[in-house]
Amino acid sequence: NAGVTQTPKFQVLKTGQSMTLQCAQDMNHEYMSWYRQDPGMGLRLIHYSVGAGITDQGEVPNGYNVSRSTTEDFPLRLLSAAPSQTSVYFCASRGPLVLNEQFFGPGTRLTVL
Amino acid sequence: AQSVAQPEDQVNVAEGNPLTVKCTYSVSGNPYLFWYVQYPNRGLQFLLKYITGDNLVKGSYGFEAEFNKSQTSFHLKKPSALVSDSALYFCAVREGSQGNLIFGKGTKLSVKP
Repeated sequence: NAGVTQTPKFQVLKTGQSMTLQCAQDMNHEYMSWYRQDPGMGLRLIHYSVGAGITDQGEVPNGYNVSRSTTEDFPLRLLSAAPSQTSVYFCASRGPLVLNEQFFGPGTRLTVL
Repeated sequence: AQSVAQPEDQVNVAEGNPLTVKCTYSVSGNPYLFWYVQYPNRGLQFLLKYITGDNLVKGSYGFEAEFNKSQTSFHLKKPSALVSDSALYFCAVREGSQGNLIFGKGTKLSVKP
């Protein structure tokens, strides 16, 4: 199993550009989530999904969209990038029990100029 | 709302000495607590979790954590530190019925030879 994969690893955008961060998992997990990691702030939840067709907002959803058309994929879209979205983004997935641990992808480092 | 606090930004330990990384929590209801580790330029990896039962929880790589309800703490410990334990450590608490995680800000552990 590849686990949780994320592409790209690095990305530089200009203010106002849009892009999609890709996330996929091959563990048949229903629950998937997106976090951003900023220095001194830990990880903050952006959006999450408990299954195909179901998404919900986390702590910091503004400026981001998600969709979940399949169990495997959970892309994160930046509609109009801002410098404040410069961060490292992690995707994670979890097994069926709410107390299962989450498996994290390797991350995408995004810089917005 | 649930929250966790990691009072130390950095912990320095000599190789072979015991280590402790501190975490305190604030929850309504039963606490479900997790520790994750992040090595440089990598995603987070699960170490251990407390759900119920024994207050001493054993996890991966020789780590353990002590749950203390009266002190609302969940400190991570290891009897003998290795240089390879140097990493960023995150404490997390489950929030809500969907099992989302709320992370602390992280503690950087540095183990010197």
